Amino acid sequence: EDQVTQSPEALRLQEGESSSLNCSYTVSGLRGLFWYRQDPGKGPEFLFTLYSAGEEKEKERLKATLTKKESFLHITAPKPEDSATYLCAVRSLSGNTPLVFGKGTRLSVIA
Amino acid sequence: DVKVTQSSRYLVKRTGEKVFLECVQDMDHENMFWYRQDPGLGLRLIYFSYDVKMKEKGDIPEGYSVSREKKERFSLILESASTNQTSMYLCASNVRDKAFFGQGTRLTVV
Repeated sequence: EDQVTQSPEALRLQEGESSSLNCSYTVSGLRGLFWYRQDPGKGPEFLFTLYSAGEEKEKERLKATLTKKESFLHITAPKPEDSATYLCAVRSLSGNTPLVFGKGTRLSVIA
Repeated sequence: DVKVTQSSRYLVKRTGEKVFLECVQDMDHENMFWYRQDPGLGLRLIYFSYDVKMKEKGDIPEGYSVSREKKERFSLILESASTNQTSMYLCASNVRDKAFFGQGTRLTVV
């Protein structure tokens, strides 16, 4: 069974204090690993897809990396507007399977 | 940009009512999904569909059914709403490996 575990559950940072969110996964052949951002009361918004170990993607202050067992979302010099819940999901190579999500990391950036 | 539209942002229904949650996507995606999201439990898959008139059960289908009569529309039906179905409901559609979500429907069953 495909599984995704995200840590920490919640993270509180000062503005400018860089950190990383972790996503550990087990999947029967990885088709893709996905990062989403979700603001309170809204649907998740797509950020990145990573397909193979060693791959990296960047968007503004966010950089996602991938190994064979986990992914990191690095946040450099965060701002209060980066406060959100960040969700990680995987999709396996097995047939036409839907995304399996982790429970998310709730990030708060304090000015 | 892809748009996934859910018919209501907020809904309050009484126990025992039949409830319809509608979702429409405008990009001719074949795959559509219904999730519910609860604090501490994350996103859980209820049902999904890979084609018109086709449906597959997700992880928590009990108490729900779905309908996909047209490619762009995927409906979630609560046959007899119960208080434990109070939740945020999220619809998604995807092309290749990028899934797009609607804004969510916050359903309260009283």
